[in-house]
Amino acid sequence: GAGVSQSPSNKVTEKGKDVELRCDPISGHTALYWYRQSLGQGLEFLIYFQGNSAPDKSGLPSDRFSAERTGGSVSTLTIQRTQQEDSAVYLCASSFGAGGGTGELFFGEGSRLTVL
Amino acid sequence: QQQVKQSPQSLIVQKGGISIINCAYENTAFDYFPWYQQFPGKGPALLIAIRPDVSEKKEGRFTISFNKSAKQFSLHIMDSQPGDSATYFCAEPDNAGNMLTFGGGTRLMVKP
Repeated sequence: GAGVSQSPSNKVTEKGKDVELRCDPISGHTALYWYRQSLGQGLEFLIYFQGNSAPDKSGLPSDRFSAERTGGSVSTLTIQRTQQEDSAVYLCASSFGAGGGTGELFFGEGSRLTVL
Repeated sequence: QQQVKQSPQSLIVQKGGISIINCAYENTAFDYFPWYQQFPGKGPALLIAIRPDVSEKKEGRFTISFNKSAKQFSLHIMDSQPGDSATYFCAEPDNAGNMLTFGGGTRLMVKP
């Protein structure tokens, strides 16, 4: 597709369940980012990939959060044993090169997670 | 921890008025300061950005003003329109220039 694609667009889960969120970046973009946006709040950085490696995992809130990227393309963000405070919109972005610092980030529409 | 302080949190402007949003930054390693615009249900999208070899950049009704000595930059929306109603985020690069740290956002409402 032409833009960053995220799935699912909406996910409702019960507390304690595991969830997986998927991001398909723009073809050819080497950098991929995950951010979290709580209701009415700003954008909280979670993790950044350059190719398949994640040089910066500093934003992951706890060890229940993990992410991987395969083939330099699709990324999956996994949240284990979900808690109600994990409810948020999870946004994925991609950029060409290390564009995050000095270029444009292209965002998907996000995956809205609701933990009951 | 790197912070980008954005104000105000919300702003209501009449159609045709000027909307002004301000940001104060900390990191000076990379001279690149973007503004992103987000409509409800959508992801943020780059609106306008400045590389401070200039103090001002204008694109249509949108202008970024940059004050390096004060470590501040601002977004001005001239002749604000109801279609400009959205959330606006300023951002700055991290120390390595690999990712963006965003401000808390400003929810703009332009009344007809």
